[in-house]
Amino acid sequence: QVYLQESGPGLVKPSETLFLTCNVSGYSISSRYYWGWIRQSPGRGLEWLGTVSHGGNTYYRPSLKSRVTMLRDTSKNHFSLRLSSVTAADTGTYYCVRDSGVRDFDLWGRGTLVTVSS
Amino acid sequence: QSALNQPASVSGSPGQSITISCTGSSIDVGAYNYVSWYQQHPGKAPKFIIYDVTNRPSGVSNRFSGSKSGNTVSLTISGLRAEDEAVYYCSSFTSVTNPEFGGGTKVTVL
Repeated sequence: QVYLQESGPGLVKPSETLFLTCNVSGYSISSRYYWGWIRQSPGRGLEWLGTVSHGGNTYYRPSLKSRVTMLRDTSKNHFSLRLSSVTAADTGTYYCVRDSGVRDFDLWGRGTLVTVSS
Repeated sequence: QSALNQPASVSGSPGQSITISCTGSSIDVGAYNYVSWYQQHPGKAPKFIIYDVTNRPSGVSNRFSGSKSGNTVSLTISGLRAEDEAVYYCSSFTSVTNPEFGGGTKVTVL
C-alpha cells in the first residue's frame, strides 16, 4: 500500500513562507510517477499548485510560478512545497498527491489545513 | 472561478441513475482526453474514480462511468446508493494552466 502524509505548520503569518513536506511510504518517488500539491479552499475550490517528476523536473501553476518551489529528497523519499509571500488567500487545505503526468491524481494524502493569519 | 463548469447540485432516489456534466472549452475538455473525476465525502480527501474520460481505476465500482461529447464530459452514477452522496469534481488537462478542476457538484440521495 502506498501512503502519502503531509506535514508542516498549521499557521503562517502573512508575507512569510509556507513550507510543507509530503512523506511517501510504500513506493519510491524516484521510480515512476509524478508527485504534486493541490489545495482546496471555499473561495478557490480545488487548485493544482505544482508537480515534480520522478526525474526531478518541475511544473508549476503559472499564476503562482513566482512564489512556488517544489523540491524532492529521494534519500528520505519525500517531496516538499515552498510558497513564499503568503496572504490570506493562501489559506486552505493542502493535499499532496501522486500524479500520473500533470494530468490526474490517483492517490491523495489526508490533507493539512494551513491558515495564513497574524 | 473554475474554468470547468459543473452544476452545483444533482439529486436522485436510490436505484436511479444520475448524470453530472462538466463543460469546458477548446483548450481543455475539447482538446484532450485527459479528464478525470473525483469523489469527496465531507472531511475526507478526494478519491480518484475516473481517468482519461472513461476509464475506472482498479477497485472503483462499475456503477460509475464517464463519457464525452465535444467540450462536455459527463459522469453517470447508476444504481444510486446512499454512500454515493458526496461532492464530485471533474478535472482536465489544459493547454494554458495544466490541470484545472470544476467547481464541484453535490450529489444528494433522496
